[in-house]
Amino acid sequence: DIQMTQAPSSLSASVGDRVTITCRASQSISHYLNWYQQKPGKAPKLLIYAASSLQSGAPSRFSGSGSGTDFSLTISNVQPEDFATYYCQQVYTTRTFGQGTKVEI
Amino acid sequence: EVQLVESGGGLVQPGGSLRLSCVASDFSLNSYTMDWVRQAPGKGLEWVSYIDTTSSNKYYADSVKGRFTISRDNARNSLYLQMDGLRDDDTAVYYCVRDFGMVINDYYYYRLDVWGQGTTVTVSS
Repeated sequence: DIQMTQAPSSLSASVGDRVTITCRASQSISHYLNWYQQKPGKAPKLLIYAASSLQSGAPSRFSGSGSGTDFSLTISNVQPEDFATYYCQQVYTTRTFGQGTKVEI
Repeated sequence: EVQLVESGGGLVQPGGSLRLSCVASDFSLNSYTMDWVRQAPGKGLEWVSYIDTTSSNKYYADSVKGRFTISRDNARNSLYLQMDGLRDDDTAVYYCVRDFGMVINDYYYYRLDVWGQGTTVTVSS
Protein backbone atom coordinates (compact mmCIF):
# COMPACT_ATOMS: atom_id res chain seq x y z
CA ASP A 1 0.00 0.00 0.00
CA ILE A 2 1.11 3.56 -0.71
CA GLN A 3 1.68 5.70 2.37
CA MET A 4 1.30 9.48 2.29
CA THR A 5 3.22 11.66 4.75
CA GLN A 6 2.43 15.35 5.20
CA ALA A 7 4.60 17.98 6.84
CA PRO A 8 4.21 19.80 9.06
CA SER A 9 1.35 18.37 11.12
CA SER A 10 0.38 21.89 12.09
CA LEU A 11 1.55 25.41 11.49
CA SER A 12 0.72 28.92 12.57
CA ALA A 13 0.28 31.69 10.07
CA SER A 14 -0.97 35.25 9.85
CA VAL A 15 -3.34 36.77 7.34
CA GLY A 16 -1.35 37.69 4.24
CA ASP A 17 1.36 35.06 4.77
CA ARG A 18 2.48 32.54 2.17
CA VAL A 19 2.12 28.97 3.45
CA THR A 20 3.49 25.74 1.98
CA ILE A 21 2.49 22.22 2.98
CA THR A 22 4.39 19.20 1.70
CA CYS A 23 3.24 15.66 0.97
CA ARG A 24 5.48 12.70 0.24
CA ALA A 25 4.40 9.37 -1.22
CA SER A 26 6.10 6.10 -0.29
CA GLN A 27 6.47 5.30 -4.00
CA SER A 28 6.12 7.22 -7.24
CA ILE A 29 2.54 8.25 -8.02
CA SER A 30 3.23 10.47 -11.05
CA HIS A 31 0.68 13.32 -10.85
CA TYR A 32 -2.08 11.26 -9.18
CA LEU A 33 -2.36 13.56 -6.17
CA ASN A 34 -5.25 15.65 -4.88
CA TRP A 35 -5.55 18.23 -2.07
CA TYR A 36 -8.59 18.85 0.13
CA GLN A 37 -9.54 21.46 2.72
CA GLN A 38 -11.67 20.59 5.73
CA LYS A 39 -13.17 22.93 8.30
CA PRO A 40 -14.44 21.70 11.69
CA GLY A 41 -17.75 19.85 11.46
CA LYS A 42 -17.83 20.04 7.67
CA ALA A 43 -17.14 17.64 4.83
CA PRO A 44 -13.84 18.10 2.98
CA LYS A 45 -13.70 20.20 -0.18
CA LEU A 46 -11.54 19.49 -3.19
CA LEU A 47 -8.97 22.20 -3.92
CA ILE A 48 -6.41 20.73 -6.31
CA TYR A 49 -6.46 17.63 -8.51
CA ALA A 50 -3.84 15.97 -10.71
CA ALA A 51 -1.18 17.63 -8.52
CA SER A 52 -1.58 21.14 -9.95
CA SER A 53 -5.05 21.67 -11.46
CA LEU A 54 -7.28 24.09 -9.54
CA GLN A 55 -10.78 22.74 -8.88
CA SER A 56 -13.58 24.93 -10.20
CA GLY A 57 -14.62 27.39 -7.51
CA ALA A 58 -11.42 27.11 -5.50
CA PRO A 59 -9.63 30.45 -4.98
CA SER A 60 -6.62 31.11 -7.20
CA ARG A 61 -4.40 31.75 -4.17
CA PHE A 62 -4.23 27.95 -3.82
CA SER A 63 -1.70 26.19 -6.01
CA GLY A 64 -0.20 22.73 -6.18
CA SER A 65 3.03 21.36 -7.59
CA GLY A 66 5.14 18.25 -7.72
CA SER A 67 5.30 14.83 -9.32
CA GLY A 68 6.62 11.40 -8.51
CA THR A 69 6.93 11.26 -4.73
CA ASP A 70 7.13 14.91 -3.63
CA PHE A 71 4.29 17.40 -3.75
CA SER A 72 3.35 20.71 -2.21
CA LEU A 73 0.31 22.88 -1.65
CA THR A 74 0.90 26.62 -1.41
CA ILE A 75 -1.51 29.23 -0.14
CA SER A 76 -0.37 32.69 -1.15
CA ASN A 77 -1.80 35.61 0.81
CA VAL A 78 -3.58 33.50 3.47
CA GLN A 79 -7.10 34.71 4.19
CA PRO A 80 -9.13 34.24 7.42
CA GLU A 81 -11.29 31.59 5.77
CA ASP A 82 -8.20 29.49 4.92
CA PHE A 83 -7.62 28.43 8.52
CA ALA A 84 -8.51 24.76 8.28
CA THR A 85 -6.99 21.29 7.94
CA TYR A 86 -5.53 20.23 4.61
CA TYR A 87 -5.15 16.68 3.32
CA CYS A 88 -3.30 15.23 0.38
CA GLN A 89 -4.60 12.07 -1.28
CA GLN A 90 -3.07 9.69 -3.78
CA VAL A 91 -5.31 8.16 -6.43
CA TYR A 92 -2.60 6.19 -8.22
CA THR A 93 -3.75 2.91 -6.71
CA THR A 94 -6.91 2.68 -4.61
CA ARG A 95 -6.81 5.83 -2.45
CA THR A 96 -4.81 6.98 0.58
CA PHE A 97 -4.92 10.22 2.52
CA GLY A 98 -2.12 11.97 4.30
CA GLN A 99 -2.53 12.54 8.02
CA GLY A 100 -3.48 16.19 7.58
CA THR A 101 -1.95 19.59 8.25
CA LYS A 102 -3.78 22.04 10.49
CA VAL A 103 -3.27 25.69 9.58
CA GLU A 104 -3.92 27.89 12.59
CA ILE A 105 -3.88 31.57 13.27
CA GLU B 1 -28.17 21.13 -6.72
CA VAL B 2 -25.74 18.24 -7.04
CA GLN B 3 -25.62 16.52 -3.67
CA LEU B 4 -25.23 13.27 -1.80
CA VAL B 5 -27.26 12.43 1.29
CA GLU B 6 -26.23 9.63 3.62
CA SER B 7 -28.40 7.81 6.14
CA GLY B 8 -28.32 4.71 8.30
CA GLY B 9 -25.81 5.70 10.94
CA GLY B 10 -26.42 5.12 14.62
CA LEU B 11 -25.32 3.37 17.79
CA VAL B 12 -24.47 -0.32 17.53
CA GLN B 13 -22.81 -2.80 19.85
CA PRO B 14 -19.45 -4.37 19.02
CA GLY B 15 -19.94 -7.28 16.66
CA GLY B 16 -23.14 -5.79 15.29
CA SER B 17 -24.11 -4.67 11.80
CA LEU B 18 -25.29 -1.50 10.07
CA ARG B 19 -26.13 -0.64 6.50
CA LEU B 20 -25.38 2.87 5.30
CA SER B 21 -27.20 4.34 2.33
CA CYS B 22 -26.42 7.30 0.11
CA VAL B 23 -28.76 8.88 -2.41
CA ALA B 24 -27.58 11.15 -5.19
CA SER B 25 -29.50 14.21 -6.37
CA ASP B 26 -29.22 16.11 -9.64
CA PHE B 27 -26.78 13.69 -11.24
CA SER B 28 -26.83 10.08 -12.34
CA LEU B 29 -24.85 7.83 -10.06
CA ASN B 30 -24.33 5.30 -12.87
CA SER B 31 -21.77 7.54 -14.55
CA TYR B 32 -19.39 7.66 -11.59
CA THR B 33 -17.13 5.56 -9.44
CA MET B 34 -18.23 6.06 -5.84
CA ASP B 35 -16.35 5.92 -2.54
CA TRP B 36 -16.88 5.75 1.19
CA VAL B 37 -14.47 7.75 3.36
CA ARG B 38 -14.58 7.89 7.15
CA GLN B 39 -13.23 10.10 9.91
CA ALA B 40 -12.90 8.94 13.50
CA PRO B 41 -13.47 11.58 16.19
CA GLY B 42 -10.57 14.03 16.22
CA LYS B 43 -8.68 12.07 13.56
CA GLY B 44 -7.88 12.41 9.88
CA LEU B 45 -9.61 11.11 6.79
CA GLU B 46 -9.47 7.38 6.02
CA TRP B 47 -10.49 5.98 2.64
CA VAL B 48 -12.73 2.93 3.19
CA SER B 49 -13.89 1.57 -0.16
CA TYR B 50 -14.79 2.28 -3.77
CA ILE B 51 -16.92 0.70 -6.46
CA ASP B 52 -16.78 1.28 -10.19
CA THR B 53 -19.75 2.21 -12.35
CA THR B 54 -20.80 -1.36 -13.15
CA SER B 55 -19.93 -2.90 -9.76
CA SER B 56 -17.28 -5.00 -11.52
CA ASN B 57 -14.47 -3.68 -9.34
CA LYS B 58 -14.67 -3.09 -5.62
CA TYR B 59 -11.74 -2.22 -3.38
CA TYR B 60 -11.43 -1.97 0.38
CA ALA B 61 -9.01 -0.62 2.94
CA ASP B 62 -7.23 -3.41 4.81
CA SER B 63 -8.89 -2.23 8.04
CA VAL B 64 -12.38 -3.19 6.75
CA LYS B 65 -11.66 -5.96 4.24
CA GLY B 66 -13.81 -9.01 4.89
CA ARG B 67 -16.20 -7.09 7.16
CA PHE B 68 -17.60 -4.31 4.93
CA THR B 69 -19.32 -4.66 1.56
CA ILE B 70 -19.90 -1.82 -0.88
CA SER B 71 -22.71 -1.99 -3.40
CA ARG B 72 -24.79 0.24 -5.61
CA ASP B 73 -28.20 0.35 -7.22
CA ASN B 74 -27.93 2.64 -10.21
CA ALA B 75 -31.68 2.42 -10.85
CA ARG B 76 -32.28 3.90 -7.39
CA ASN B 77 -29.34 6.31 -7.77
CA SER B 78 -28.03 4.88 -4.51
CA LEU B 79 -24.82 3.65 -2.91
CA TYR B 80 -24.60 1.36 0.10
CA LEU B 81 -22.11 0.16 2.69
CA GLN B 82 -22.94 -3.02 4.60
CA MET B 83 -20.88 -3.08 7.78
CA ASP B 84 -20.63 -6.35 9.70
CA GLY B 85 -18.49 -7.37 12.63
CA LEU B 86 -18.30 -3.77 13.80
CA ARG B 87 -15.52 -2.81 16.20
CA ASP B 88 -14.95 0.13 18.51
CA ASP B 89 -12.42 1.58 16.05
CA ASP B 90 -15.07 1.72 13.31
CA THR B 91 -16.64 4.62 15.20
CA ALA B 92 -16.53 7.54 12.76
CA VAL B 93 -18.40 9.88 10.50
CA TYR B 94 -18.88 8.10 7.19
CA TYR B 95 -18.94 10.15 3.99
CA CYS B 96 -20.34 9.09 0.64
CA VAL B 97 -18.22 10.64 -2.11
CA ARG B 98 -18.36 10.97 -5.89
CA ASP B 99 -15.12 9.86 -7.53
CA PHE B 100 -14.93 11.79 -10.77
CA GLY B 101 -12.57 10.65 -13.49
CA MET B 102 -11.46 12.59 -16.53
CA VAL B 103 -8.74 12.49 -19.16
CA ILE B 104 -5.97 15.05 -18.82
CA ASN B 105 -3.09 14.95 -21.30
CA ASP B 106 -3.97 11.37 -22.32
CA TYR B 107 -4.05 10.12 -18.73
CA TYR B 108 -7.16 9.31 -16.65
CA TYR B 109 -7.26 11.19 -13.34
CA TYR B 110 -9.71 10.75 -10.46
CA ARG B 111 -10.77 13.20 -7.78
CA LEU B 112 -13.32 13.15 -4.97
CA ASP B 113 -15.37 16.14 -6.02
CA VAL B 114 -18.77 15.81 -4.33
CA TRP B 115 -19.11 14.83 -0.66
CA GLY B 116 -22.16 14.06 1.42
CA GLN B 117 -22.69 15.67 4.80
CA GLY B 118 -21.74 12.44 6.58
CA THR B 119 -23.54 9.99 8.84
CA THR B 120 -22.24 9.08 12.30
CA VAL B 121 -21.60 5.48 13.31
CA THR B 122 -20.89 4.80 16.97
CA VAL B 123 -19.79 1.34 18.05
CA SER B 124 -20.06 0.93 21.79
CA SER B 125 -21.43 -1.39 24.41
